[in-house]
Amino acid sequence: EDQVTQSPEALRLQEGESSSLNCSYTVSGLRGLFWYRQDPGKGPEFLFTLYSAGEEKEKERLKATLTKKESFLHITAPKPEDSATYLCAVQGDFSGNTPLVFGKGTRLSVIA
Amino acid sequence: DGGITQSPKYLFRKEGQNVTLSCEQNLNHDAMYWYRQDPGQGLRLIYYSQIVNDFQKGDIAEGYSVSREKKESFPLTVTSAQKNPTAFYLCASSMAGGNSPLHFGNGTRLTVT
Repeated sequence: EDQVTQSPEALRLQEGESSSLNCSYTVSGLRGLFWYRQDPGKGPEFLFTLYSAGEEKEKERLKATLTKKESFLHITAPKPEDSATYLCAVQGDFSGNTPLVFGKGTRLSVIA
Repeated sequence: DGGITQSPKYLFRKEGQNVTLSCEQNLNHDAMYWYRQDPGQGLRLIYYSQIVNDFQKGDIAEGYSVSREKKESFPLTVTSAQKNPTAFYLCASSMAGGNSPLHFGNGTRLTVT
């Protein structure tokens, strides 16, 4: 069974204080690892897809990396508007359009 | 602009009543999904559909039903058999073939009293 564990559950940072969010996963054949941002009361917003170990993707202050066991979302010099819940999800199994399995998320608060 | 529309945003029902949540997409996506989100529990899959007139149960399908009569629409009915229906419900869609990110609507918050 595919599993995703995110840590920490909550993270409080000062504006400008860089940090990383972790997503550990077990999956039978990784098709893709996905990062989403979710604001309160809204649906998740897609950020990145990573397909293979060693891959990295960047968007503004966010950088996602992938190994065979985990992914990191690095946040460089965060701003208050980066406050949100960040969700990680995996798609495993090379047969068919298997639905994504989500972690419980990391709730990030950036204080000015 | 293309996207996914969920309606209504807030829904209130009495215990014992069935209720249907609407989900419409104009992204021309083949696959559609329903997830439930509870505090501290993450997103859990209720049902998904990869093509019209076909759908599969997810991890927590008991007490729910769906239909997929049109490519654009995937309504979810929360029946009186669902023991804890109060939750935030999210609909999503994606292109077929795997490796495609899900695109989400902005959810419906259902409260049953």
